[in-house]
Amino acid sequence: EPEVTQTPSHQVTQMGQEVILRCVPISNHLYFYWYRQILGQKVEFLVSFYNNEISEKSEIFDDQFSVERPDGSNFTLKIRSTKLEDSAMYFCASSAATGTHYEQYFGPGTRLTVT
Amino acid sequence: AQSVTQPDIHITVSEGASLELRCNYSYGATPYLFWYVQSPGQGLQLLLKYFSGDTLVQGIKGFEAEFKRSQSSFNLRKPSVHWSDAAEYFCAVGVPDDTDKLIFGTGTRLQVFP
Repeated sequence: EPEVTQTPSHQVTQMGQEVILRCVPISNHLYFYWYRQILGQKVEFLVSFYNNEISEKSEIFDDQFSVERPDGSNFTLKIRSTKLEDSAMYFCASSAATGTHYEQYFGPGTRLTVT
Repeated sequence: AQSVTQPDIHITVSEGASLELRCNYSYGATPYLFWYVQSPGQGLQLLLKYFSGDTLVQGIKGFEAEFKRSQSSFNLRKPSVHWSDAAEYFCAVGVPDDTDKLIFGTGTRLQVFP
């Protein structure tokens, strides 16, 4: 069964450093998402992406964050200058079409630890 | 604004016992409703979803959920829990035709004792 994959599974970085989290969505999907979960808190929507542009973003997704689909398979989330409060589990998801009545398939997540 | 509440952070049941995980939402109309499960090291897997129609929906792995509009609830149930059901369970809502984002609860961690 096709699945969303994410690398790395765990990333440790120092405050102020740039990190890139990578995701490979399901191959025929067109819509891509990033969510995050700070320990003990809710899973929160960050951004959705379609046709090489952001279609929606939350207030969390500020100028420190960017997303990119650099080739036909990868979907990346970059945090330009990490802060301690960016420590969280980051989930990538993809779906075949837009609208939440279409299933979003999630990856296993990348745990980001900022020290 | 829409929100989802899962009142139980951690639930422990014996294998073979019945299970009910609670989920309440806040939204002016009927949202799309979902239950996801996350096993250790795995992604969030969709268990079941409700869009409209029959308020009792069946999902994978023997789970079911019932939408109760009067209580703004979408509780997840299973008549007999298996040790492999130990995982984190997330309730989520989607707003029809308005956005792609899912709004999640904080999750309920299920522990199963043999």
